[in-house]
Amino acid sequence: AQSVAQPEDQVNVAEGNPLTVKCTYSVSGNPYLFWYVQYPNRGLQFLLKYITGDNLVKGSYGFEAEFNKSQTSFHLKKPSALVSDSALYFCAVRDPDNNNDMRFGAGTRLTVKP
Amino acid sequence: DGGITQSPKYLFRKEGQNVTLSCEQNLNHDAMYWYRQDPGQGLRLIYYSQIVNDFQKGDIAEGYSVSREKKESFPLTVTSAQKNPTAFYLCASSRTGTSGGRADTQYFGPGTRLTVL
Repeated sequence: AQSVAQPEDQVNVAEGNPLTVKCTYSVSGNPYLFWYVQYPNRGLQFLLKYITGDNLVKGSYGFEAEFNKSQTSFHLKKPSALVSDSALYFCAVRDPDNNNDMRFGAGTRLTVKP
Repeated sequence: DGGITQSPKYLFRKEGQNVTLSCEQNLNHDAMYWYRQDPGQGLRLIYYSQIVNDFQKGDIAEGYSVSREKKESFPLTVTSAQKNPTAFYLCASSRTGTSGGRADTQYFGPGTRLTVL
């Protein structure tokens, strides 16, 4: 079965600095990878996804993610962090054989300090 | 949160009581999902439905029930058999639940926070 791991519970960065939120995955077959963001007491908002093609995926709010097949990673990045980026970030992987089976990581709390 | 609404935003349940959480979408999506979110555990799938009048159990279906009588609606009932129901419940939908929709994005509603008194 597929799975994702987010090795960091918490990431702290200063405003204006680049940020990286890490995600590694395990799946048999081609991975379908997603990043979501959650603000307090809200639902998850879709940021970006990797299906196929270019390893660098660009998404909403200036976020991007780099797919690395050899390292089975899909790290979320942003060149310059904003205080408003502070939120909970989830990586997810879909089972290529069961479209309804999406596995989420435990989440990484990003705090951007002014 | 797109075209998915959930109500109520907050819900309180007494011991032994069944409660129903509402989820409605106007995205014309075939597939709908219910997830439970607990702190530090990510999201876990409760039930999903690929099409009207059909639904399947997810990883933690015990103590929950659903129905899918209309394409736009997928209510979740938390029964008294669910021993630890306090959590944040999220509904989602995607264009299709069939294999042709592997690339489809799941879109989420704003959630319902359920607390047992």
